[in-house]
Amino acid sequence: NAGVTQTPKFRILKIGQSMTLQCTQDMNHNYMYWYRQDPGMGLKLIYYSVGAGITDKGEVPNGYNVSRSTTEDFPLRLELAAPSQTSVYFCASSYQYRALSGNEQFFGPGTRLTVL
Amino acid sequence: GENVEQHPSTLSVQEGDSAVIKCTYSDSASNYFPWYKQELGKRPQLIIDIRSNVGEKKDQRIAVTLNKTAKHFSLHITETQPEDSAVYFCAASLYNNNDMRFGAGTRLTVKP
Repeated sequence: NAGVTQTPKFRILKIGQSMTLQCTQDMNHNYMYWYRQDPGMGLKLIYYSVGAGITDKGEVPNGYNVSRSTTEDFPLRLELAAPSQTSVYFCASSYQYRALSGNEQFFGPGTRLTVL
Repeated sequence: GENVEQHPSTLSVQEGDSAVIKCTYSDSASNYFPWYKQELGKRPQLIIDIRSNVGEKKDQRIAVTLNKTAKHFSLHITETQPEDSAVYFCAASLYNNNDMRFGAGTRLTVKP
């Protein structure tokens, strides 16, 4: 299993440009998440999805959009990039809570985005 | 919503010493508390978690304690090794709710 994969690894955007961060998981997890991690800070939840066709806002959704057309893929869209969106973006996935394994979230390698 | 505070932000210990990282949470309904380790330039990985019906959980050199009344939980690492050097994040949520809130992280350095 490749686990959770993300593309691209790095990207530089100009203010106002748009882009899509790709995320794919091959563990048949029904739950998927997008986080951002600012320097020296914790992870903040942007959006999450509990299954294909279902998405919900997290703590910091403004400026982002998501879709979940398949179990495997959960792309994150930035429509009008702003310097405040400079961050490292992590995608993660998990099963629905299980008594033995809890809510362990498996993270992708991250995408480092800079908006200039 | 839930707010998680984590202390200290940095921690330096000698190899073999113990390290303790503390977190507090605001929402008394939260009942699931995981700890993640993030090595430099790597992705976060779960190292241990605890549910609110348990006061303590151990896994080899790592333990987590939970005080529901005071709304705080702690990570204890004994016999620290240089490979324990990383950033550690605590988090809190409802166990069947995926809106998880993370602390700001603790950078642990273990000096040989």
